[in-house]
Amino acid sequence: QKEVEQNSGPLSVPEGAIASLNCTYSDRGSQSFFWYRQYSGKSPELIMSIYSNGDKEDGRFTAQLNKASQYVSLLIRDSQPSDSATYLCAVRNTGRRALTFGSGTRLQVQP
Amino acid sequence: SAVISQKPSRDICQRGTSLTIQCQVDSQVTMMFWYRQQPGQSLTLIATANQGSEATYESGFVIDKFPISRPNLTFSTLTVSNMSPEDSSIYLCSVEFTGAAATIYFGEGSWLTVV
Repeated sequence: QKEVEQNSGPLSVPEGAIASLNCTYSDRGSQSFFWYRQYSGKSPELIMSIYSNGDKEDGRFTAQLNKASQYVSLLIRDSQPSDSATYLCAVRNTGRRALTFGSGTRLQVQP
Repeated sequence: SAVISQKPSRDICQRGTSLTIQCQVDSQVTMMFWYRQQPGQSLTLIATANQGSEATYESGFVIDKFPISRPNLTFSTLTVSNMSPEDSSIYLCSVEFTGAAATIYFGEGSWLTVV
C-alpha cells in the first residue's frame, strides 16, 4: 500500500467549475498535510497546508481534512485554464520532518 | 518563505561522469532535503541534510552514489556520481521554514539528462 495515494487523472473540468482533488494516506499519526501545484517543467509550488480536521479556505482554494477517514482534499472554485497543472498531496508522517508525496493528479481546465 | 536557488538549472551529462548540484538559501535554515523526480513520477526523498552532521539517506539511496555536503545553514550540495541514463531526473532542493508551522518550499530544480 502506498503511503499517500492520489488518482493520477487527468481530471478534466470546464472553466468556472469546481475541481475536487482527493488524497488518502496510510499513517494514522500524520499531523501535517500539504497541497503543491506543479506546472510542467517547473518545481512544486506550495498552495496550502492544513493541520486540523475541517475546512481551510484561501481565496479560490479550500483544503479539507478528515483524520478519522485519513482523507484530505483540495477544492478549486471557479477553475481557470491557468489552474491546469499537476497537484501533489504531501504528508508529514509521524516522527519525520520530510514530506511524503503522492503521485499527483493532473488537472485540465477546459476553456 | 525565502529565495532558494539551485545551480545548474539544466545540464546534459555524459554517462560515467559526476555532477554537483548547489542549493543556496537566502536565510538560515536547519532542515534541508534533496528530492528526485524521475520523468512522469512524483517526488522521492533522497536524503535529509542537517548542518554539522552526516546526511540521512532514504532506503535505496547511498552516500557513495549521492554524496551530500551541508557546510552551513544556507548552503548544500548534492553530487550525482558515476551517472547512468537512469539518473536522468529533476533534482530538487527543499528547505523547511518554521514559523507558525513547519512548511517545506522547493528550489527551482536541476534538470539532468544523462546520455
